[in-house]
Amino acid sequence: KAGVTQTPRYLIKTRGQQVTLSCSPISGHRSVSWYQQTPGQGLQFLFEYFSETQRNKGNFPGRFSGRQFSNSRSEMNVSTLELGDSALYLCASSFDEPVQETQYFGPGTRLLVL
Amino acid sequence: GNSVTQMEGPVTLSEEAFLTINCTYTATGYPSLFWYVQYPGEGLQLLLKATKADDKGSNKGFEATYRKETTSFHLEKGSVQVSDSAVYFCALSDAGTYKYIFGTGTRLKVLA
Repeated sequence: KAGVTQTPRYLIKTRGQQVTLSCSPISGHRSVSWYQQTPGQGLQFLFEYFSETQRNKGNFPGRFSGRQFSNSRSEMNVSTLELGDSALYLCASSFDEPVQETQYFGPGTRLLVL
Repeated sequence: GNSVTQMEGPVTLSEEAFLTINCTYTATGYPSLFWYVQYPGEGLQLLLKATKADDKGSNKGFEATYRKETTSFHLEKGSVQVSDSAVYFCALSDAGTYKYIFGTGTRLKVLA
């Protein structure tokens, strides 16, 4: 069974631009969660989607948004990029409720904002 | 609120040494506890988990026991290898807020 895939793996943007990251979950998994990983803050939860609905949300500004498609693939968008948005963005999938199920992580998208 | 506290790293050991990485948590209710490992340039991989008190999770020689009385979930391995060099994350799943809470990670370096 293929694992969680994320595209692109690396991205360089400049301040003020916007970016869209993509995540394809493991086949059959319906929940997709997004995390931001930085050296200073560690792993921080962004949001979780299930059946095309945002089910849970972390404490990030509205510049961070996401969506999920009917095939469970998910995208995350960051608008008006800031230098502090430079991070590794990880997506994780699970069959259903992440806190009841094991989460499987993708390799991440490393975003650098200049 | 709920939280996870891990020992600061880096932890540097010689090959075949005994490993302990401490993890304590605060939580209401009965969370599930996890250890994840992150190798350089990769995402996180589940190493082991425990879903209730006194459960022992184990995988690839690593073990951790869910201790409710001490609110701990320490990771241990009897004999580390160079290939175990990675960052290890302790985490809990919070059924109250439906979120995972991760510790800050502990970097392990194993020297040949």
